[in-house]
Amino acid sequence: AQKVTQAQTEISVVEKEDVTLDCVYETRDTTYYLFWYKQPPSGELVFLIRRNSFDEQNEISGRYSWNFQKSTSSFNFTITASQVVDSAVYFCALSENAGGTSYGKLTFGQGTILTVHP
Amino acid sequence: DTEVTQTPKHLVMGMTNKKSLKCEQHMGHRAMYWYKQKAKKPPELMFVYSYEKLSINESVPSRFSPECPNSSLLNLHLHALQPEDSALYLCASSQDTAGHRSTDTQYFGPGTRLTVL
Repeated sequence: AQKVTQAQTEISVVEKEDVTLDCVYETRDTTYYLFWYKQPPSGELVFLIRRNSFDEQNEISGRYSWNFQKSTSSFNFTITASQVVDSAVYFCALSENAGGTSYGKLTFGQGTILTVHP
Repeated sequence: DTEVTQTPKHLVMGMTNKKSLKCEQHMGHRAMYWYKQKAKKPPELMFVYSYEKLSINESVPSRFSPECPNSSLLNLHLHALQPEDSALYLCASSQDTAGHRSTDTQYFGPGTRLTVL
């Protein structure tokens, strides 16, 4: 069975600090996809990034960056120069490219609550 | 345009009521999903529709009845719910690229906050 672990339940930072959200996953499949979603207090899950298991290149998008390390089964997310608007719950998720009943099912981590103080 | 809309935004219902949640997307996606999310927990998958056919039912109680009238619409009919069914109900959609649904990004709506009294 696949599993996603976000060990940090809550993180609190002051604006302009850098913050890294950890994500560790377990899967037996060789082909899989990893995702990060942001859930602000309004409730909607906002898609941030998708990464497939064959692409270990790190990615940067503005103040956001992602570090994918297959050797340690980690897909960490860093926010540089955090802002109050970054306050939200962040979920890491895993989708396997397998057939059967799990087809298309996302396995979510428990989420990390990020609070950025002014 | 990556927009999934859900109505109503909030719903309060009694245990004997019948109500429906509605989800709509106009991205041409062929897979649609219902998730349930309790406070401080991740979303839990309930149902998946692929090309308007029910593909996955995660052993959801029969008091929740999904319906997919067409490729853009997804409904969730509620009947005889329990207070523990109070939660945020999220709809999502994805392309469902033939044979590769698990690789597609799921785009979520804003959710319906349901309270069962």
